[in-house]
Amino acid sequence: AQSVTQLGSHVSVSEGALVLLRCNYSSSVPPYLFWYVQYPNQGLQLLLKYTTGATLVKGINGFEAEFKKSETSFHLTKPSAHMSDAAEYFCAPPRRNRLAFGKGNQVVVIP
Amino acid sequence: DAGITQSPRHKVTETGTPVTLRCHQTENHRYMYWYRQDPGHGLRLIHYSYGVKDTDKGEVSDGYSVSRSKTEDFLLTLESATSSQTSVYFCAISESAQNSPLHFGNGTRLTVT
Repeated sequence: AQSVTQLGSHVSVSEGALVLLRCNYSSSVPPYLFWYVQYPNQGLQLLLKYTTGATLVKGINGFEAEFKKSETSFHLTKPSAHMSDAAEYFCAPPRRNRLAFGKGNQVVVIP
Repeated sequence: DAGITQSPRHKVTETGTPVTLRCHQTENHRYMYWYRQDPGHGLRLIHYSYGVKDTDKGEVSDGYSVSRSKTEDFLLTLESATSSQTSVYFCAISESAQNSPLHFGNGTRLTVT
């Protein structure tokens, strides 16, 4: 069954620096993958979606993710962190017709 | 934003009492889900529904039951609340089981004392 690994529960990044959040899936190439963002005291919001055939996917708020089959990865990046990017981020591939959420990365942006 | 309303937003209850959380949607989506979110565990699926009166268990269903008598409402019941069920509960909806993103409500924070 598909599972996902997100390394580093807390990620600190300086304002203006690169944001890199890693996501590795466990088994066969998934037909789709999502990244979600959760701001404090809110539900999760869709950040971006990968579907078969794409490699670089652009999302909201300047985020993008690159799908690499050879590395079974779907890492999320943003070139320049903003204070408003402080949130928790979840990678979610499908598993048995449902989503398998990673444990999340809490991003802290340092001024 | 998808029209999803969770009620109540906050609740404190005592161990052993039954509790019902409500999720109401205005999107007419077929699929509805209940998740719990706990530090260090991410989101875990409790139960989900794929239509009126059609429900199935998720990975952490023990101690919970659900009902869906109308497309727009999905109820989560804790039959006899325990302290381990203190959590934040999220409802989500989607158009289909595959390839459709989930849209989440703003959550219910439940504390069992």
